Amino acid sequence: ELKVEQNPLFLSMQEGKNYTIYCNYSTTSDRLYWYRQDPGKSLESLFVLLSNGAVKQEGRLMASLDTKARLSTLHITAAVHDLSATYFCAVDEDNDMRFGAGTRLTVKP
Amino acid sequence: KAGVTQTPRYLIKTRGQQVTLSCSPISGHRSVSWYQQTPGQGLQFLFEYFSETQRNKGNFPGRFSGRQFSNSRSEMNVSTLELGDSALYLCASSSDPNTEAFFGQGTRLTVV
Repeated sequence: ELKVEQNPLFLSMQEGKNYTIYCNYSTTSDRLYWYRQDPGKSLESLFVLLSNGAVKQEGRLMASLDTKARLSTLHITAAVHDLSATYFCAVDEDNDMRFGAGTRLTVKP
Repeated sequence: KAGVTQTPRYLIKTRGQQVTLSCSPISGHRSVSWYQQTPGQGLQFLFEYFSETQRNKGNFPGRFSGRQFSNSRSEMNVSTLELGDSALYLCASSSDPNTEAFFGQGTRLTVV
């Protein structure tokens, strides 16, 4: 059964600091997605990673995929308050998308 | 370009009733997926439709069903509602099943 594990589940950061969220999965899929969800809102697509070694960056966020290690990372650089949200990774295998439990990020001044 | 539209946004139902939720995908998208989000179980995959065919189904009881119409709009139905069905139901559409999915705002269902 496809399993997706994120850690940490809760993350409190100071503004200006760097941190990494990890997403481990159990399948050989090479399709991994990162989403952001603000409280009471829907999911916003951040990154789509479709091959081993894929790296994508948008602003202060950078995502990478290592299919051999079955690991994706979401790196946050110089965090700002606006990044406070819950971040989900999701893995797609045979049209079955499984989500991690989410990482609730709080960025404090 | 309009996004994914889900109706209604909020719904309150009584145990034992049934409910139908609607999802209109982004124009041109033929794949629609449904998810249930709860604080305890997180985001769980319900089912996925492509060109009116159910391609995959998550681990939910038969009370949960869905369908997709020729215009790609999709509906999901939950019969004999239980308190535990209270959740945010999210619909996502994509141009095909293996591409980026865009989510709607969700329907928040409360069963009392």
